[in-house]
Amino acid sequence: DAMVIQNPRYQVTQFGKPVTLSCSQTLNHNVMYWYQQKSSQAPKLLFHYYDKDFNNEADTPDNFQSRRPNTSFCFLDIRSPGLGDAAMYLCATSRGRLDTQYFGPGTRLTVL
Amino acid sequence: AQSVTQLGSHVSVSEGALVLLRCNYSSSVPPYLFWYVQYPNQGLQLLLKYTTGATLVKGINGFEAEFKKSETSFHLTKPSAHMSDAAEYFCAVSYSGGYQKVTFGTGTKLQVIP
Repeated sequence: DAMVIQNPRYQVTQFGKPVTLSCSQTLNHNVMYWYQQKSSQAPKLLFHYYDKDFNNEADTPDNFQSRRPNTSFCFLDIRSPGLGDAAMYLCATSRGRLDTQYFGPGTRLTVL
Repeated sequence: AQSVTQLGSHVSVSEGALVLLRCNYSSSVPPYLFWYVQYPNQGLQLLLKYTTGATLVKGINGFEAEFKKSETSFHLTKPSAHMSDAAEYFCAVSYSGGYQKVTFGTGTKLQVIP
């Protein structure tokens, strides 16, 4: 089945220690998104890629970076995680920007 | 700016009872509207969506929603709640024409009481 895969499902890191979250897709979609979802809150868009074109949301902290080496993979890098970065990180894909977004299962990040 | 309001952060229903989750949106242009469901520690799964055409939209798991332009509403309903429906439900909006990101509501947690 075509799907959006996120690894790992659970990630524990230390305060200030860089961490990378991974997302891959078999849908061959053009657009890949990263959302941050804190407890009992709505998902908040951090940035998205349309093909290789990177689009950052205005209020996304510089601490968050992303890479998309090819169509299938997209990475979220948190350079110096703080306690406030503990959250569920959701990856989503869509065929085009106006098309339905399909979500992965998420990675829950804990910062110690 | 587009926005979505979900009335009631927590809703409890008895098993077999009607499920009604409320969503209102703000819009100056025709919206695209979505309902997603999220089970604990999982990603969001699309239940249904409205883009154009028929205003009553049927989705998975017996859910449906009706787009009412005059009321700027897109309420989610299911005639008979099942224990497996217990989850968090998010209403979301985006717009046709040009790029507009999807904006999510703050979510409604549905509890189903046996």
